Amino acid sequence: DGGITQSPKYLFRKEGQNVTLSCEQNLNHDAMYWYRQDPGQGLRLIYYSQIVNDFQKGDIAEGYSVSREKKESFPLTVTSAQKNPTAFYLCASSISSGARGYTFGSGTRLTVV
Amino acid sequence: GQQLNQSPQSMFIQEGEDVSMNCTSSSIFNTWLWYKQDPGEGPVLLIALYKAGELTSNGRLTAQFGITRKDSFLNISASIPSDVGIYFCAGLGGFKTIFGAGTRLFVKA
Repeated sequence: DGGITQSPKYLFRKEGQNVTLSCEQNLNHDAMYWYRQDPGQGLRLIYYSQIVNDFQKGDIAEGYSVSREKKESFPLTVTSAQKNPTAFYLCASSISSGARGYTFGSGTRLTVV
Repeated sequence: GQQLNQSPQSMFIQEGEDVSMNCTSSSIFNTWLWYKQDPGEGPVLLIALYKAGELTSNGRLTAQFGITRKDSFLNISASIPSDVGIYFCAGLGGFKTIFGAGTRLFVKA
């Protein structure tokens, strides 16, 4: 069955450390996205990629970096420059336009200790 | 920039009651989407709407694409405990999808 997989489900990080969240999809979707969700809040776009080797900043890209070397994979690195990284991170994918909706992963909960 | 106003922010209802929520915007959208997020999981697409005035059902859920293309509504009939979660609307204009802030639904058995 096709789907989108995020790992790990839970991640703990010490202050000052970089950490990379994995996102893999086997849906043959062109576009992939990263969102951040804080408790009781909606979804805020961090980065998105419409095609391999290309990506654009979303609304809250500061302190984050991404790569898109393969169509299936869109890892997100939370750097030490991100001042408040504790949040629930959601990866999604879609056909190029997004008109058929997004398929979301099950999320990674990152906690800075 | 484009924004969606989703209301209500939260709802506390009794099992068996009907639920209505809506999204409005000052911008026109070509597509409206409704998602549900269970606690600790990613959102799942419930209904997609592509034409102004379109009314689409998915089981006990019914959604409508507003005539002005600036709003959409979601109704849930005869709520059950597993309806608990966050419901997000999303509008698509061009390539970019804009999400509402969500309606948190609590159902008391």
